[in-house]
Amino acid sequence: KNEVEQSPQNLTAQEGEFITINCSYSVGISALHWLQQHPGGGIVSLFMLSSGKKKHGRLIATINIQEKHSSLHITASHPRDSAVYICACQGSGSRLTFGEGTQLTVNP
Amino acid sequence: DAGVIQSPRHEVTEMGQEVTLRCKPISGHNSLFWYRQTMMRGLELLIYFNNNVPIDDSGMPEDRFSAKMPNASFSTLKIQPSEPRDSAVYFCASSLGPGANVLTFGAGSRLTVL
Repeated sequence: KNEVEQSPQNLTAQEGEFITINCSYSVGISALHWLQQHPGGGIVSLFMLSSGKKKHGRLIATINIQEKHSSLHITASHPRDSAVYICACQGSGSRLTFGEGTQLTVNP
Repeated sequence: DAGVIQSPRHEVTEMGQEVTLRCKPISGHNSLFWYRQTMMRGLELLIYFNNNVPIDDSGMPEDRFSAKMPNASFSTLKIQPSEPRDSAVYFCASSLGPGANVLTFGAGSRLTVL
């Protein structure tokens, strides 16, 4: 069992739909990161959170420390949101443990 | 700031050759990370530096890999000799410091070893 598990692995949605990507982890963490990797390969950090909820534009990330679970939500999805979304857990140091990623495709 | 700058963006080389990847972190960032991404293993941390000092190199696969950070604005990852299984995308990232800080990634260096 991986220390960080994401679901679903693949997700196809229609433009405008509300999207949820889940991340469950089995290790103690100091922070959880959500990353976005576009088809061109570049990686962008979307959120880093250790409790509660954060919002940036149409993106919302939540974390429940007790349940060791985080979700990334995208409201009013758009084809430009198509990317791989990666959850990464950070322990007491700076090492990140990565999930396998969720491939999101948003069709017009 | 131009972000984290990596070079080369693409490198194709033959097995046995030396490969050097370069990274310039964001000015003022004290932590620098080298990651490798492959289809089979996803993203893996190879090594990270804090204030130019290697802190955790447990992800470096073997002695063929070495990394240096001679100053706060430059780091190299060297593979000598290279092997086909080293083919991957190598990302450099930097952050303000150790602990829970947002990472900024470079565009990556795609290495193909024939």
